[in-house]
Amino acid sequence: KAGVTQTPRYLIKTRGQQVTLSCSPISGHRSVSWYQQTPGQGLQFLFEYFSETQRNKGNFPGRFSGRQFSNSRSEMNVSTLELGDSALYLCASSLAIVGESTDTQYFGPGTRLTVL
Amino acid sequence: KQEVTQIPAALSVPEGENLVLNCSFTDSAIYNLQWFRQDPGKGLTSLLLIQSSQREQTSGRLNASLDKSSGRSTLYIAASQPGDSATYLCAVGGSGGGADGLTFGKGTHLIIQP
Repeated sequence: KAGVTQTPRYLIKTRGQQVTLSCSPISGHRSVSWYQQTPGQGLQFLFEYFSETQRNKGNFPGRFSGRQFSNSRSEMNVSTLELGDSALYLCASSLAIVGESTDTQYFGPGTRLTVL
Repeated sequence: KQEVTQIPAALSVPEGENLVLNCSFTDSAIYNLQWFRQDPGKGLTSLLLIQSSQREQTSGRLNASLDKSSGRSTLYIAASQPGDSATYLCAVGGSGGGADGLTFGKGTHLIIQP
C-alpha cells in the first residue's frame, strides 16, 4: 500500500508570492492534517480536513488555507508569503478524525518551503 | 493550552546502552499519546500509540509508558543501535475532539555511537 505523498518536495518562493502544496493520503484514509515544522517552534498543527470539510484549525493567520477533494487529496495554500513561512510542511492521513479514533496518523515526507 | 516538553533535548550514548526519553504535558485531559521518530530530511514514523486508558505499549526493543495523572510519558529503548539515531518526538491528542490536532514536543535528538 502506498504511503502519504507530498508534492513538490522542495519549493523556493519570494516574499509576497503565494504557494500551493499538495498531499495524497493513503488509500482509504479520509482525514488529512497539515503541520508546519520550524527549528524555533517545532511542529505546529495547521488544520484537519475530513470528507472535504475542515474539522479543526490551529492558531495560524488566514493566509493559510486548505481544501480537500472528493478523493481525499488535499491542498494547502499560503498567500502573501513572509520570510517566517519558511518551514517543512508535513501532511498526515488517518482513517478517522484525530481524537475520535484509535488510529494513528501516517506522515508524508514533507515539502520544504524556502521564502526569500 | 496544552504544552509538551521533552527532556533531554539531545542525547549521545554508546551502542548497546539502554536509555530513557522523557515527555511531560500540562493538560492531563488527553485522548492518546504517540511517540514518533524523524530521520533527517524525512517525515515522521509512528513508533507507539498509547490510548488514555492504557498504561504502556511495547514494540520490539521499545516500551512506552503513560502516567496521565502526573502528565508524563517515557520511551524506553533497550540495547540501542546506531540505526536508532534520529529525533524522537512525543505528541498528545487532546480530548476535545481533536480541535488542536496533535500537540508535539520539540523532540530529543538521539545519537548512538558505534
